[in-house]
Amino acid sequence: QITLKESGPTLVKPTQTLTLTCTFSGFSLSTSGVGVGWIRQPPGKALEWLALIYWDDDKRYSPSLKSRLTITKDTSKNQVVLTMTNMDPVDTATYYCAHRPDLYYFDYWGQGTLVTVSS
Amino acid sequence: VIWMTQSPSLLSASTGDRVTISCRMSQGISSYLAWYQQKPGKAPELLIYAASTLQSGVPSRFSGSGSGTDFTLTISCLQSEDFATYYCQQYYSFPPSFGGGTKVEIK
Repeated sequence: QITLKESGPTLVKPTQTLTLTCTFSGFSLSTSGVGVGWIRQPPGKALEWLALIYWDDDKRYSPSLKSRLTITKDTSKNQVVLTMTNMDPVDTATYYCAHRPDLYYFDYWGQGTLVTVSS
Repeated sequence: VIWMTQSPSLLSASTGDRVTISCRMSQGISSYLAWYQQKPGKAPELLIYAASTLQSGVPSRFSGSGSGTDFTLTISCLQSEDFATYYCQQYYSFPPSFGGGTKVEIK
């Protein structure tokens, strides 16, 4: 059974860097074809794809946020980490990590973590 | 960038109704489309991928159709647990993108 869970701060100040960790089980990020992505959702708004990391350490980022995002993996710990620099109140959202079985859709999602950006 | 138009944004329906949700693309995406269901306070759940392939465990009252630019999600007989928000997602073109959502509410 595949499960994912996000962890990190619930409150960050403007200009700070956000670091979120996705801890997963039920699959290995060293298996060919596997990927883990991050998607966010501002309160009451639609979903926005942020980044994805593949089993071979290839990485993809949203073009609009690429300069602020870094995604890494620790295969031995079954974790994927997303960092986002220079946080702003508009970045307030629930952040989800999700399992990519193929291409760019997602079949298993974490429960999400709400991050509020406020001074 | 592919622009997606999902309609309607709000749909009022009754249990037992047949409902359809549309997702239109600004350019053709073959069948690289997924549909998700999201309930309040919960993560999205994958319903359909490849435009019409039902994800394992999803009830057969859900179906997807379309290719190219026009896609439809149909719920054949709406159940109480189906009142939720539905999102389409294209994964033909990078970056992947989501529609604006359709909230299905009780009439």
